[in-house]
Amino acid sequence: GAGVSQSPSNKVTEKGKDVELRCDPISGHTALYWYRQSLGQGLEFLIYFQGNSAPDKSGLPSDRFSAERTGGSVSTLTIQRTQQEDSAVYLCASQALGQGNTIYFGEGSWLTVV
Amino acid sequence: GENVEQHPSTLSVQEGDSAVIKCTYSDSASNYFPWYKQELGKGPQLIIDIRSNVGEKKDQRIAVTLNKTAKHFSLHITETQPEDSAVYFCAASTRGSTLGRLYFGRGTQLTVWP
Repeated sequence: GAGVSQSPSNKVTEKGKDVELRCDPISGHTALYWYRQSLGQGLEFLIYFQGNSAPDKSGLPSDRFSAERTGGSVSTLTIQRTQQEDSAVYLCASQALGQGNTIYFGEGSWLTVV
Repeated sequence: GENVEQHPSTLSVQEGDSAVIKCTYSDSASNYFPWYKQELGKGPQLIIDIRSNVGEKKDQRIAVTLNKTAKHFSLHITETQPEDSAVYFCAASTRGSTLGRLYFGRGTQLTVWP
């Protein structure tokens, strides 16, 4: 596709439920990132995938958060047993190595935990 | 890790005036400094970037300056227009094992009054 695609764009879930957020990166981009943006806050790094290397999970806030990237393309961010403090916009981004460090973001998935 | 500070958090200017947003970083190894613009309900979009081998870069009404000695960089927008109203984020990145990961400032809400 032309850009990074994320789904769902909006998700309301009950506290304690699990949620999955999906990201389709730009075709051919080998690097994929997840960031979290809470209301009025900056972008908090969560996880980074680069090719076949082990992902950098250093930003995941707890073991309730996990992410995978299948076939080097689509990625899914899973939040188990959601809490109200998980409410935020989850942004996915992708990057093509060898073309500078330009990182392209999707429009985000707005998660509300009630 | 890298720490990026951004000021001011909010900025209001009259249409036609200039706007300046300043950022500092802590890691002297950082060598790539992008600026992102985020409009309401959308993902961040790259507007300009600068690498450590140059001190200034311009693109029409937008310019970025970098002072590596002082570890600070700034975004300058001249002849502001109402459509420049958005949240602006600065970021910093290093090469090597953390290639690509961006460390963001907390953002500046710019409002341009007609």
